[in-house]
Amino acid sequence: AIQLTQSPSSLSASVGDRVTITCRASQGISSGLGWYQQKPGKAPKLLIYDASSLESGVPSRFSGSGYGTEFTLTINSLQPEDFATYYCQQFNSYPLHTFGQGTKLEIK
Amino acid sequence: EEQLLESGGGLIQPGGSLRVSCAASGFTFSTYAMSWVRQAPGAGPEWVSTITADAGVTYYADSVKGRFTISRDNSKSTLYLQMNSLRAGDTAVYYCAKDRGLFGYTSGWYNAWGQGTLVTVSS
Repeated sequence: AIQLTQSPSSLSASVGDRVTITCRASQGISSGLGWYQQKPGKAPKLLIYDASSLESGVPSRFSGSGYGTEFTLTINSLQPEDFATYYCQQFNSYPLHTFGQGTKLEIK
Repeated sequence: EEQLLESGGGLIQPGGSLRVSCAASGFTFSTYAMSWVRQAPGAGPEWVSTITADAGVTYYADSVKGRFTISRDNSKSTLYLQMNSLRAGDTAVYYCAKDRGLFGYTSGWYNAWGQGTLVTVSS
């Protein structure tokens, strides 16, 4: 099974900062990587799919990049509502469909 | 507005059975693949199962294969997950999720989620 490793597992940042979260796959997955944001007690929300495509309605300060085994989520100019846990998810084909362990983004 | 509303969760003893449901509204349910994703307390999400728009094909995670059955009733815009032989490790919030793929295409990305229903397996 393909493993996803996110780094860092937690991150402290300030409003206005630029942050980057990395997700590494144990084997190549082309561009089959997505990113979700989850706030406490809520369901995950899709931000990025196919490694770099921005989901409709998601602010443009969110961006994704990468291919193969290494991917990044970048958030430019952090806003107060961005403090949450972020998960990467890989999808190559069923049943190869896994999530990373998460990165908790906290206010410094 | 796309809405998904799960129901049917609760406390169940190990070895027991439970069926959870998900009522959809705000979109043409019959044209989208649907999935169940669960999340154990303090853990990341875990994909459980997917069913194509026409219910012709189903997929399962190895951890639930042979114990869980996904189904849908497009006339009622409702998704189901029948869970048998439940184990403590199945304890989680179960979310239904809509695939973002158009015309029944299974993209593997989920752009609408319900609020979740908690299933607790314990004696």
